[in-house]
Amino acid sequence: NAGVTQTPKFQVLKTGQSMTLQCAQDMNHEYMSWYRQDPGMGLRLIHYSVGAGITDQGEVPNGYNVSRSTTEDFPLRLLSAAPSQTSVYFCASSFRQVNEKLFFGSGTQLSVL
Amino acid sequence: ILNVEQSPQSLHVQEGDSTNFTCSFPSSNFYALHWYRWETAKSPEALFVMTLNGDEKKKGRISATLNTKEGYSYLYIKGSQPEDSATYLCAFYTGTASKLTFGTGTRLQVTL
Repeated sequence: NAGVTQTPKFQVLKTGQSMTLQCAQDMNHEYMSWYRQDPGMGLRLIHYSVGAGITDQGEVPNGYNVSRSTTEDFPLRLLSAAPSQTSVYFCASSFRQVNEKLFFGSGTQLSVL
Repeated sequence: ILNVEQSPQSLHVQEGDSTNFTCSFPSSNFYALHWYRWETAKSPEALFVMTLNGDEKKKGRISATLNTKEGYSYLYIKGSQPEDSATYLCAFYTGTASKLTFGTGTRLQVTL
């Protein structure tokens, strides 16, 4: 049972480049989300989805795009990378609702130069 | 933006000590309170999800209590071991907009 699989683990981008962080879960979870972790700050919600075809913005959505075409996958797209997006990114999912425990991916450390 | 505060920011105890830390959250619009353990170089792992005022949860040497009326939760670790060294996160859910708000965590270091 793979759980939440997140790729890549590390990425270096130049300012202005675009990329997609991949997240997949094999637990048939309806709820999926993306967080970023910055020093001195708690995990901050970027975008979330309560089911296939449904997405919504979190606390810090600017500069990021998501889609949820299947239950399993929830990719996060950086449209035009900026140094302010240097962070550690986590994908997390739960079975149905966000009041159930979250399962986290292994994280992506992203540096934007 | 909801304010979830955790104290202390960091804690250093000796093996065998018992310890506790606090998560404070808005007492209005409470729906659920989560606790996670986050070891260095790993991902956060869920410890407890608590929903009822007065609720107590236990997992081995770790336990948690919840007071929704005054807006706080305590996490207790009995007889700390080096493997308990981690950052402990709490997260608050109001029941609206499917958003979980995390605190900044308490970093626990247990030494021999």
